[in-house]
Amino acid sequence: DAKTTQPTSMDCAEGRAANLPCNHSTISGNEYVYWYRQIHSQGPQYIIHGLKNNETNEMASLIITEDRKSSTLILPHATLRDTAVYYCIVRGGAAGNKLTFGGGTRVLVKP
Amino acid sequence: DAGVTQSPTHLIKTRGQHVTLRCSPISGHKSVSWYQQVLGQGPQFIFQYYEKEERGRGNFPDRFSARQFPNYSSELNVNALLLGDSALYLCASSLTGSETQYFGPGTRLLVL
Repeated sequence: DAKTTQPTSMDCAEGRAANLPCNHSTISGNEYVYWYRQIHSQGPQYIIHGLKNNETNEMASLIITEDRKSSTLILPHATLRDTAVYYCIVRGGAAGNKLTFGGGTRVLVKP
Repeated sequence: DAGVTQSPTHLIKTRGQHVTLRCSPISGHKSVSWYQQVLGQGPQFIFQYYEKEERGRGNFPDRFSARQFPNYSSELNVNALLLGDSALYLCASSLTGSETQYFGPGTRLLVL
């Protein structure tokens, strides 16, 4: 499975953009980058995914570098309810359809 | 639209007992995956089912088994419970297994 590397934790200010980096240098051509988040004791919530193009939805934007070795999840206006653990996952290809979760980034949004 | 539902929400068992956890996927989804999340760690893949057939299995002992029913709901069974089986058990559904997976709220199992 392609591995991902994320910072262990980060803080951001309420109302500001939160930029969450992820490295996936061993990603292969047919593997997608997925982002989920998990608010304490709840099931993971799907945020966004992409293959090579940048993606945007109502929750966030996903910026994937041209070489696909890293990506950034952007929460445009962080709120206190965005406090969660954010997981960057590479999925598909030889690894199949399972999601392999790493440690994620613990994001604390402060007022 | 209803999301993925799981039952029960919480469960307490003793070592050696057996447990059955249940999951109903999002309407129209034919694939269900199960994950185990031990406190302080990310979820770990246990099984994936599609159209009642096992499509993938994680690194879990044979005490763990699952099945999927004609209505696409699923059960996860764990025999001979160990203290280390205490965890949040998550179910996720997707259309055919290769699309985005959507998670339920989980069942929290405590083994005493």
